[in-house]
Amino acid sequence: GAVVSQHPSRVICKSGTSVKIECRSLDFQATTMFWYRQFPKQSLMLMATSNEGSKATYEQGVEKDKFLINHASLTLSTLTVTSAHPEDSSFYICSASDTSGVLVDTQYFGPGTRLTVL
Amino acid sequence: AQSVAQPEDQVNVAEGNPLTVKCTYSVSGNPYLFWYVQYPNRGLQFLLKYITGDNLVKGSYGFEAEFNKSQTSFHLKKPSALVSDSALYFCAVTFKNAGNMLTFGGGTRLMVKP
Repeated sequence: GAVVSQHPSRVICKSGTSVKIECRSLDFQATTMFWYRQFPKQSLMLMATSNEGSKATYEQGVEKDKFLINHASLTLSTLTVTSAHPEDSSFYICSASDTSGVLVDTQYFGPGTRLTVL
Repeated sequence: AQSVAQPEDQVNVAEGNPLTVKCTYSVSGNPYLFWYVQYPNRGLQFLLKYITGDNLVKGSYGFEAEFNKSQTSFHLKKPSALVSDSALYFCAVTFKNAGNMLTFGGGTRLMVKP
């Protein structure tokens, strides 16, 4: 159980275009989803936290108008990179958890999306 | 503020030998500790977690970790390493009422040689 999918796994786009990445929890309800960015040989950098039905909370330094996050249902969150530029090229990873329980629950991660902006 | 340190960028071990990947943490209150593994170009896979209870936690693929409150450590161990264990390992910490937000260590690359 606790499977999280991400689509697409890899995307190449031209500078100035927008790219949407989907994150789905397949067998549980994800009350909270997280979006991370990972640079080569580095740890994960949290970009934003989203709770179902409410606006995302962005970490300091992350442009909310550039990285649009929507968490419209308990199984789906999307990250849209608007007007992408080469410096946005990175590995984007989402995670999902069910925080409705009494105990702290585990974050389950998607397989990641490799974005390359030409 | 919470923080996690993984002091070793890389750990090399021969197949069949025991392995240890170190992790120390700093958090206000009682920590909730996690280990994840990442294979190339993949997301993170959950290995194990410590929330409360026994200090020795057993997880997936034969891994275990021991919570040591006095040393603020949560080292990952396995009695006999496999070549397939070669990957990037992340330790992470959160605490109650943190909204499940994790703070990650920098990662440790484990290389198991035949």
